[in-house]
Amino acid sequence: AQKITQTQPGMFVQEKEAVTLDCTYDTSDPSYGLFWYKQPSSGEMIFLIYQGSYDQQNATEGRYSLNFQKARKSANLVISASQLGDSAMYFCAMREVVYNQGGKLIFGQGTELSVKP
Amino acid sequence: DADVTQTPRNRITKTGKRIMLECSQTKGHDRMYWYRQDPGLGLRLIYYSFDVKDINKGEISDGYSVSRQAQAKFSLSLESAIPNQTALYFCATSDLDATGGYGYTFGSGTRLTVV
Repeated sequence: AQKITQTQPGMFVQEKEAVTLDCTYDTSDPSYGLFWYKQPSSGEMIFLIYQGSYDQQNATEGRYSLNFQKARKSANLVISASQLGDSAMYFCAMREVVYNQGGKLIFGQGTELSVKP
Repeated sequence: DADVTQTPRNRITKTGKRIMLECSQTKGHDRMYWYRQDPGLGLRLIYYSFDVKDINKGEISDGYSVSRQAQAKFSLSLESAIPNQTALYFCATSDLDATGGYGYTFGSGTRLTVV
């Protein structure tokens, strides 16, 4: 069965520093997608970054980058130059292929990031 | 208006009551999902529907039922609410391929408290 694991329940980072949030996954499907979402205290789910299993290069979106190590089955999120507004819960998720098409998202447990001024 | 609308946003209900959470979308997506979020457990899938006639159980369907009234509407019911169903509930939609990062759209969530 497919599984996503986030082993860091909480993280602290100093403002303007970089931080890495860990995510490992397990799947036997050759085709999959990996997502990171941010959930601020208001509760909404905000999409941050996506990596497809066949993508050759690591995904980047502004201050967010995804360190994709396929052989190790890891998809760590790197946030550069942390800002106070980055304080939130972060979820890693994997798209499970169903009927040879995009299907369910499976989520990790989440990492709560706190940015210190 | 939001692409995926969940009602109500907040609800307090008593143990044993029947409650329905509603989700409607204007994305035109065929696929809809209900998730439940609990602290330390992330989001877990309750039910999903790939079209109006296709309903599937997710990881934690016990105690819940769903209805897909139309392509745009997907409702979640708690037949007899219990306190451990207190959680944040999300409705989500996806297009057929759900490729790329923006294939999924989430509602704003319904915070349900069962007392």
